[in-house]
Amino acid sequence: EVQLVQSGAEVKKPGESLRISCKGSGYSFSSYWVAWVRQMPGQGLEWMGIIYPGDSDTRYSPSFQGRVTISADKSISTAYLQWNSLKASDTAMYYCARRLDPSGSYYGYWGQGTLVTVSS
Amino acid sequence: SSELTQDPAVSVALGQTVRITCQGDSLRSYYASWYQQKPGQAPVLVIYGKNNRPSGIPDRFSGSRSGSTASFTITGAQAEDEAAYYCKSRDSSGNLGVFGGGTKLTVL
Repeated sequence: EVQLVQSGAEVKKPGESLRISCKGSGYSFSSYWVAWVRQMPGQGLEWMGIIYPGDSDTRYSPSFQGRVTISADKSISTAYLQWNSLKASDTAMYYCARRLDPSGSYYGYWGQGTLVTVSS
Repeated sequence: SSELTQDPAVSVALGQTVRITCQGDSLRSYYASWYQQKPGQAPVLVIYGKNNRPSGIPDRFSGSRSGSTASFTITGAQAEDEAAYYCKSRDSSGNLGVFGGGTKLTVL
């Protein structure tokens, strides 16, 4: 069974750094692109970026380029989303998602979400 | 353009048919996928490709495309279909993803 399990909720102060994780199981982690999706409170889904764990090929939405870093460690089947300096506007639910199949750009598997709260 | 545009809200009477649309230039080149999200839950893929349903998704859900518009149709809406629905596709370069703004479906 394919599963994506994300790290727990975080409460941080503005300016702090943070890394959240997404651990895949039940499949060959290196072979499927993993995306990160933001959902701000009461708002819609926003595509942030994607990584191919096999070679760490990473692509970012222009809206998030330079603001976050996406990485992966295929040895432990885990993808990461990282901030160096959080802002209050980063408060959101963050989902990781895996493509249903290697070639299609549709996400058939989702993590449970990680709630990030940034407040002074 | 890398934008996908959806109507913010749509309503349908129980048992009737409803269509949710998604407009964007990139849809001329790439199919949309559709996601259902209920409050407090992660999104669920309901339609992908030309008109494919993942295992376990009811066959009252279907998808289509015409020009720059993708459509998601529920034939015989049920109370449990009340949710937000998002389209998703690639941007014009084909390298990045993009979501529509979402449509809140109310079943009356």
